[in-house]
Amino acid sequence: DGGITQSPKYLFRKEGQNVTLSCEQNLNHDAMYWYRQDPGQGLRLIYYSQIVNDFQKGDIAEGYSVSREKKESFPLTVTSAQKNPTAFYLCASSMGTGPYNEQFFGPGTRLTVL
Amino acid sequence: GIQVEQSPPDLILQEGANSTLRCNFSDSVNNLQWFHQNPWGQLINLFYIPSGTKQNGRLSATTVATERYSLLYISSSQTTDSGVYFCAVQEYSGGGADGLTFGKGTHLIIQP
Repeated sequence: DGGITQSPKYLFRKEGQNVTLSCEQNLNHDAMYWYRQDPGQGLRLIYYSQIVNDFQKGDIAEGYSVSREKKESFPLTVTSAQKNPTAFYLCASSMGTGPYNEQFFGPGTRLTVL
Repeated sequence: GIQVEQSPPDLILQEGANSTLRCNFSDSVNNLQWFHQNPWGQLINLFYIPSGTKQNGRLSATTVATERYSLLYISSSQTTDSGVYFCAVQEYSGGGADGLTFGKGTHLIIQP
C-alpha cells in the first residue's frame, strides 16, 4: 500500500529529554513537511524539505530539528528547547513544492510531556 | 503572511440536512485544499481546488480565486460526516514557506 506512516502513535516524554518522531513515505514524493496541531486549532508548519539533504524552517521551527538523508524519510526531533512540546504532530508529503501540488498527510503522533 | 478565516466555527445539524462551509483568504493563492479531520486525528483529503468547482458524491466545492473565498457544500448529511473541516492555502507569492496555511476549522456535528 502506498502512503505515509508515522511512528509512534503516542509518545510520552519527560521534561528535558529530546525525542524523535518518525515519518516515512513510499509515494516517491519529493517534498515532505512537518506540522503541529494544538487543541482546537489548525495546523502550523514547523519544517519542510524539497529535496534530500535540504530543508527550510517554517513558521514555528524554534526548538525543533529535522534531517532528510533519504527521499522517503523525514524525522523530526523535538528538543528540550521547545517550551510547549505537548501537541499532535502530522507529517505530509507532496509530489513537488512548486505551485499546484496537493499535500497528503500521515496519521499523526500525539506527544505528551510529563 | 496570508490569513485564512473559516465560518461558522461550529455547526450542529440533523441527519439529512445540507450545509455550506466558507473559507476566506486574504491574498492570492497557488493551492487551496479542503480536509476532513476524523475523531482519530487523520486528515482526509476532500478537494484540491485552487479555482473552479468540483464534486465528489454528496460533497462539492467552489473556489472563486478573484474574490478570495471557497465554499464546501455537504448535502444529505450523515453522522459519519461529523468532525472538523479545514481549509488550507498555499500563498501565491512564494516569499514564505511552501507549506500550507490552515484556518481554525469548522466543527460539524451531525445528530441522528
